[in-house]
Amino acid sequence: NAGVMQNPRHLVRRRGQEARLRCSPMKGHSHVYWYRQLPEEGLKFMVYLQKENIIDESGMPKERFSAEFPKEGPSILRIQQVVRGDSAAYFCASSPPNRGKGGYTFGSGTRLTVV
Amino acid sequence: DAKTTQPTSMDCAEGRAANLPCNHSTISGNEYVYWYRQIHSQGPQYIIHGLKNNETNEMASLIITEDRKSSTLILPHATLRDTAVYYCIVRPSDLNTNAGKSTFGDGTTLTVKP
Repeated sequence: NAGVMQNPRHLVRRRGQEARLRCSPMKGHSHVYWYRQLPEEGLKFMVYLQKENIIDESGMPKERFSAEFPKEGPSILRIQQVVRGDSAAYFCASSPPNRGKGGYTFGSGTRLTVV
Repeated sequence: DAKTTQPTSMDCAEGRAANLPCNHSTISGNEYVYWYRQIHSQGPQYIIHGLKNNETNEMASLIITEDRKSSTLILPHATLRDTAVYYCIVRPSDLNTNAGKSTFGDGTTLTVKP
């Protein structure tokens, strides 16, 4: 049973380009969470999704950021027109429909560098 | 949503017990206490969680005060590989509520020294 898979592990984008970060949750997990970690800071919640639904996007910047978790395929975090301040590690976590043991299971993250 | 407060950093001698405190004075009745750790820049790793009873697993023990306003994570025999940032969060048992409000804060940086 593979863990939470995130790709790419590292992503370099020039200012103004788009960044697409993918997250495949653990098998049987239907809840996905995205967190951002700026250098030398803690994890900040961005968005919580279930299949085809955004449950809570209160941590998501109002502009340029969007997230989806389609019926088929991975969850996608999309950042349009990236700026240097978007450089960070983006972690995805998943959990089963019930609380389950352990709560979240995290992926290894995508490190976005905007140059 | 309940917030947590943790000391910024702690040191521990290798082989000794590491006791990491967490305050969650506004925790509500349906919220669990979870502990995670992040080693270097890896993804956070689940350690343990509890509601009101003390819990123990192969990694650690969790002591929750009777009023549930604080808890302590205990690593019984710390090793150098336990050096990490430790996060204490609270999270409702019902994931269909606003579970996304479980922010991690800045955690405690534990440094285990030889």
